[in-house]
Amino acid sequence: EAQVTQNPRYLITVTGKKLTVTCSQNMNHEYMSWYRQDPGLGLRQIYYSMNVEVTDKGDVPEGYKVSRKEKRNFPLILESPSPNQTSLYFCASIRDRGYNEQFFGPGTRLTVL
Amino acid sequence: AQTVTQSQPEMSVQEAETVTLSCTYDTSENNYYLFWYKQPPSRQMILVIRQEAYKQQNATENRFSVNFQKAAKSFSLKISDSQLGDTAMYFCAFIRANTGNQFYFGTGTSLTVIP
Repeated sequence: EAQVTQNPRYLITVTGKKLTVTCSQNMNHEYMSWYRQDPGLGLRQIYYSMNVEVTDKGDVPEGYKVSRKEKRNFPLILESPSPNQTSLYFCASIRDRGYNEQFFGPGTRLTVL
Repeated sequence: AQTVTQSQPEMSVQEAETVTLSCTYDTSENNYYLFWYKQPPSRQMILVIRQEAYKQQNATENRFSVNFQKAAKSFSLKISDSQLGDTAMYFCAFIRANTGNQFYFGTGTSLTVIP
């Protein structure tokens, strides 16, 4: 089954404790992306990657890191989480620039205390 | 920078009726893609419909259709014969074609279908 998986689905952590949210897709998609969703703000892009070893900042990259060492994986790293990073996070993948095939992961609800 | 505006935070519609959700965008680009996504209470993001800016014809997917007005930079979503399962948050999104890498989303419209 074609899908994007994220782990964990829910996470409660404390300020400053490094964490990683994993994202994996099994469709050989080139484009992957991370978003955060906050009430009243819609989805905002954090980072995206057009291919292996190619990553770029989106609108809200501060406080986040990503890496793309393999085509299928695109982890999101919070080196020192803060309460303003409490949010719902989505990973997504797209096959190509025709944007015909787009898949979102199920979301990760992160709470930073 | 591109912006996407959804001016209706909440809407409701009677079951079986038709509803139109509004979206406007601002760009200097000539070629781009526009999308409507649905997010039901499960939070899963689902692509509803996609429009290529260089195509004059409005996209249609079953009960979902768009009214794409390029000159006015407007991209509204029409849902016909509304069903209870259409209750969800709807997001409009934009990306430039060819050289575009960043998606821009609107703030969403919460649609409730009333039985």
